Amino acid sequence: GESVGLHLPTLSVQEGDNSIINCAYSNSASDYFIWYKQESGKGPQFIIDIRSNMDKRQGQRVTVLLNKTVKHLSLQIAATQPGDSAVYFCAEKNGNKLVFGAGTILRVKS
Amino acid sequence: DAGITQSPRYKITETGRQVTLMCHQTWSHSYMFWYRQDLGHGLRLIYYSAAADITDKGEVPDGYVVSRSKTENFPLTLESATRSQTSVYFCASSETGTLYGYTFGSGTRLTVV
Repeated sequence: GESVGLHLPTLSVQEGDNSIINCAYSNSASDYFIWYKQESGKGPQFIIDIRSNMDKRQGQRVTVLLNKTVKHLSLQIAATQPGDSAVYFCAEKNGNKLVFGAGTILRVKS
Repeated sequence: DAGITQSPRYKITETGRQVTLMCHQTWSHSYMFWYRQDLGHGLRLIYYSAAADITDKGEVPDGYVVSRSKTENFPLTLESATRSQTSVYFCASSETGTLYGYTFGSGTRLTVV
């Protein structure tokens, strides 16, 4: 399928390097955040989440950091692989809905 | 996974026509959502539903109609399609609304000519 992220910020990394994808959120009262991965032609897939009472949460090869002071969220991917190439979205809880950021393209060079 | 399915996968329609996008989930999740995805805009919420027969507007509801007569189905209808509604449409479901996120379908690419 056609990519939906042609005009998004792009991060290019070498295979094996670590990736850091950043996201600024708008609502200081948000208490729950999620990172999604979207591969070309597919729907977004849940990667990892974090509640506002935490600063850091780790998963398998991924870590999410939350800085509430500056309303900033980051996703770190360790030892980036070609299969990590995708568009990554952050989302913040707004009432009983999620509000999504515009996304960042991650390109992994072999 | 076939847990949440959208149909059709691709659709081309003419301006002014009515078109319905289908969404079906097999988990009996309470919440269902419709998003549209456009270049540079990320995902924008059109409508959502917290349960059967309960629907609410999202960020961009104009020109769309939804219904939820059964928990498992959440069709999205464009009553009179316009070119600005050309987009990729994603349906999602969630048991709890936002905790633990949503599960998305594979999307419907709609082109209005």
